[in-house]
Amino acid sequence: TAGITQAPTSQILAAGRSMTLRCTQDMRHNAMYWYRQDLGLGLRLIHYSNTAGTTGKGEVPDGYSVSRANTDDFPLTLASAVPSQTSVYFCASSDGRLGVHEQFFGPGTRLTVL
Amino acid sequence: RKEVEQDPGPFNVPEGATVAFNCTYSNSASQSFFWYRQDCRKEPKLLMSVYSSGNEDGRFTAQLNRASQYISLLIRDSKLSDSATYLCVVNINTGGFKTIFGAGTRLFVKA
Repeated sequence: TAGITQAPTSQILAAGRSMTLRCTQDMRHNAMYWYRQDLGLGLRLIHYSNTAGTTGKGEVPDGYSVSRANTDDFPLTLASAVPSQTSVYFCASSDGRLGVHEQFFGPGTRLTVL
Repeated sequence: RKEVEQDPGPFNVPEGATVAFNCTYSNSASQSFFWYRQDCRKEPKLLMSVYSSGNEDGRFTAQLNRASQYISLLIRDSKLSDSATYLCVVNINTGGFKTIFGAGTRLFVKA
């Protein structure tokens, strides 16, 4: 099985442009997450979804939006990119059952906003 | 103060050495604890969970000290392939669960 995939692998984006980062998992996990990882700051949660049809804000949600139309897909959209959104973005999923916490990560998307 | 703090390192050790990392957490509602490993330019992957009584997986030993609010990871007989960043992860019970990742400790094992 593929596990969790992300696209694109990397992208250079002009400031002010919009972009959607794609994330798909085939593990039928209920919960999905978007993180950004910046040097010295670790992984910071942007948005999450506990189950299809629901989403929630994480630690750094401003400038980002998500949707969860089905179990497998959890796209992240930057409506108008700014240079501070230059980062590595990881999508993750977890079973979501009580006590089952391991998160499985996609390979990441490296985004540069100029 | 960060909710989860780690020494960023880097720790430079020779092959065969024993190395230990600590991670402190500030929220007393922290309920479960993990170590993840992240290789350069790769995604994080679960290394091991940390149980209250301490647990071992081969050369790796994880311990939890609730009174002092820290967890540790001990690596014995270090291998070149252990070179990576080790992330401390804490789940906090806030009604639902909130997962906090530490910024990581970098380890370089040299021949």
